[in-house]
Formats: sequence, structure tokens, C-alpha cells
Amino acid sequence: GENVEQHPSTLSVQEGDSAVIKCTYSDSASNYFPWYKQELGKGPQLIIDIRSNVGEKKDQRIAVTLNKTAKHFSLHITETQPEDSAVYFCAAQAGGYQKVTFGTGTKLQVIP
Amino acid sequence: EAGVTQFPSHSVIEKGQTVTLRCDPISGHDNLYWYRRVMGKEIKFLLHFVKESKQDESGMPNNRFLAERTGGTYSTLKVQPAELEDSGVYFCASSRPGTGVNEQYFGPGTRLTVT
Repeated sequence: GENVEQHPSTLSVQEGDSAVIKCTYSDSASNYFPWYKQELGKGPQLIIDIRSNVGEKKDQRIAVTLNKTAKHFSLHITETQPEDSAVYFCAAQAGGYQKVTFGTGTKLQVIP
Repeated sequence: EAGVTQFPSHSVIEKGQTVTLRCDPISGHDNLYWYRRVMGKEIKFLLHFVKESKQDESGMPNNRFLAERTGGTYSTLKVQPAELEDSGVYFCASSRPGTGVNEQYFGPGTRLTVT
């Protein structure tokens, strides 16, 4: 089955700096890669996703990149703000309505 | 539209007792998923319903867990008898049918503590 690894497990950055979270996946059949943000007491919320036919996607301060050959994908947050502090999960899915396989999560702390 | 709701938000039970978790998906979402996050680890898939049918239950840990979705609306997940290792946060998610895009919307989770 699919295995998703995520690094780092914790990340502290100064407000205004950039944050990068990296993930790898094992199943070459995976073709959909969502990123979720989980705030305290809430469920994971989709913040951005990327499909295997795209190498990069950007939405304001958030960008994701995907390297299918290396089975790597990354989340980049620029100009971080305190409200970006949360746990971020990368995930992979092999199409259709199949289960999502999550990484172990990255706790991001943005220091004002 | 109202989001995915889960009840209760927190449950504390003793080992050997029974607990039933409930999930109400977004109206019109045929796909319903259960996931679990054990302390500090990844969110793991438990099972997937399409309407009232179990599409994939490969993640169910053992026969102490029973999920139902009668009528294809809300779903329940029963743990009987509960063990210490069942402690964690149980998430429910739902997604729309037939669009080819599987954005899953998650509920706030039920934190289960087995003592």
C-alpha cells in the first residue's frame, strides 16, 4: 500500500519568513496530493492540492510542487503570519474516491 | 452549506465498555470516510462508504469495530469492547459523488479516551 513520509515533524519560523514542508510517497499510482491544515480543536481542512499532471501550483502565499519521477512533493508558505501556526498534513491518493494516505504531520509555529 | 458534524466531541470510557461515534456528512455527499489519529501518529484510513454500502473497509483494525450507514445518510462507528489502544481522535469525512474530484471535507473529530 501507499506510504507517505513527511518532514520535519516540527518547524518554527519567524513571522515573515518562509516555511517549507517536504513529503515523499511510495505508490506510483498516486495521482492526487492534497495538503491539509489542522487548527486546534478542528478537523483537517484542505488548503491546496496538486494533481500528477501538474508540477507546481500557487495560491497567494501558498505553493506546492510535485516531482513525479522522484515521488517528492512540497508545501511552501511565504511571508508567514501567526495565524499560519497549525499542524500541516500532506497526503496522497490513487485517484477516484479511494482512501487518502496521510503523512505524520508537521507542527508549524510562527513566532511574532 | 453545513459542514461535516461529529458527535460527541469527546468521550472518556473505561476499558471493556462500548462507545458509539456518530458522523453526519454534508448533505448530498454519497462518499463517507472514517479515519483515526492515534497520538502523534499519522491520520489513518478506517473505511469508506458509498451511500449505505461499504466500499473499502481495509483499514478497520479488528472485529471490535463496527461501522454502519443505514439509509445512506449519517454513519455510526461502534467500538465494543474498547481497549486502551483505541484511544485517539476519530475523524469523519465526506465527498461529493461523480465529479472525478475527491476533495474530502473533514469533521472536527471525536476524541476518544479509553482508561
